[in-house]
Parts: sequence; C-alpha cells; structure tokens
Amino acid sequence: GAVVSQHPSRVICKSGTSVKIECRSLDFQATTMFWYRQFPKQSLMLMATSNEGSKATYEQGVEKDKFLINHASLTLSTLTVTSAHPEDSSFYICSARSVSGGALTDTQYFGPGTRLTVL
Amino acid sequence: AQSVTQPDIHITVSEGASLELRCNYSYGATPYLFWYVQSPGQGLQLLLKYFSGDTLVQGIKGFEAEFKRSQSSFNLRKPSVHWSDAAEYFCAVGAGDYKLSFGAGTTVTVRA
Repeated sequence: GAVVSQHPSRVICKSGTSVKIECRSLDFQATTMFWYRQFPKQSLMLMATSNEGSKATYEQGVEKDKFLINHASLTLSTLTVTSAHPEDSSFYICSARSVSGGALTDTQYFGPGTRLTVL
Repeated sequence: AQSVTQPDIHITVSEGASLELRCNYSYGATPYLFWYVQSPGQGLQLLLKYFSGDTLVQGIKGFEAEFKRSQSSFNLRKPSVHWSDAAEYFCAVGAGDYKLSFGAGTTVTVRA
C-alpha cells in the first residue's frame, strides 16, 4: 500500500519549452502533496506544498510563476516547469501525505522522481 | 525552523559488519523524525519513523533507530549490513505543518 507514481520518469526538452510532471497516489487519497527538487549528490529541497482544491504554498525563493502546481483531485498533483532553462535541470520528487490515524501519525510517501534535462 | 545535520557524508562498511548513521536535529518542540533510503535514481523509501513512545524504533530491512532527546539525536543502526544496503540515507525532521526538512544525506558503500 501507499504507492506514489510519477510520470514521466525522464524528460529531455529544449530551452524555452514547458514540461508537465504528474504525481499520483495510487492506493490512497492525498489531500496534501509536496514537491521537492534534488540536485546531484545533495539533499531534497522542498519547493511547494500542494493542497487539493486550493492554491499551492511555495517555499521562499521558489518562483510560483515558473513552477506551476495544480492539485486537481485527491490522487493527482501536477508540476509544470514553464519556459524551462538549463538551470532547471534537476531531479524532481513528489510525495503524498497519508493519514494513517490522526494528524500526529502522518507519513509522506515518495514517488520515484522525474529526471528533467533542459538542453 | 527545524534542521537536520548528518555529520558523515560517506561511510564504507564491510558486508556483515554493523552500521551506524548519525543524525542530529534542531527543533524547539517534540520532533517527528524519519529515516529514508534512496537507491540511485530512485525516490525515497521510508525505513522508520518516530513520533512518540518507545525511543527505540524498529524499521524495515533490519534497521532500527534510537531517539535521544538529551543529545538531539536519532541515529540509525543495522547489526549486519548486506550488499543491497548500499544507498543514500536521509534523516528528516517534521513539524506540525507536515513539512519535512532533510539532512544532506550519508552515502553508504558496502565492500565485499
């Protein structure tokens, strides 16, 4: 149980184009999903928190107009990198919050990640 | 704001030997603590978590971790390492808003 998928797993695009990454919770409902960015050999940096049916909350320094997040349903959140540039190349990982029994026992389950390369 | 320090960037251990990964956290209240493992090119898999109660937590794959409030630590241990344990390990601390702050990670190499 508690499986999170991401699509695509890898994407290569030209500079200036937009790329959409999907994050799905396959066997549970996720009212909250998180988007992270990971540079090579580094830790995960939280980009934004996505809540179903409301606007995403972005971390300081993350451009909301560049990284568009939509959480259209309880099982799907999308991250769109608009007008991508080479510096946006990174490993993007989503997670979904599973409520196992009361707010204090929430656990985040992570997707396998999407490798974005912008040429 | 919470933060996590993993002092060891890289650890090499022989197969069958014991492993301990260090994690120190900074948080004003009772922390929610997690250990995740990441294999190359993969997402993160939860090994174990601590919210309250018994300070020695058992996880998957034979891992355990001990919460020590006096030392602000949550070290991960495994008595006997297998070659498949070679991966990147991340300690994370969570707050009431469910956001996680991750440490920089420790790379574990297992030699035969």
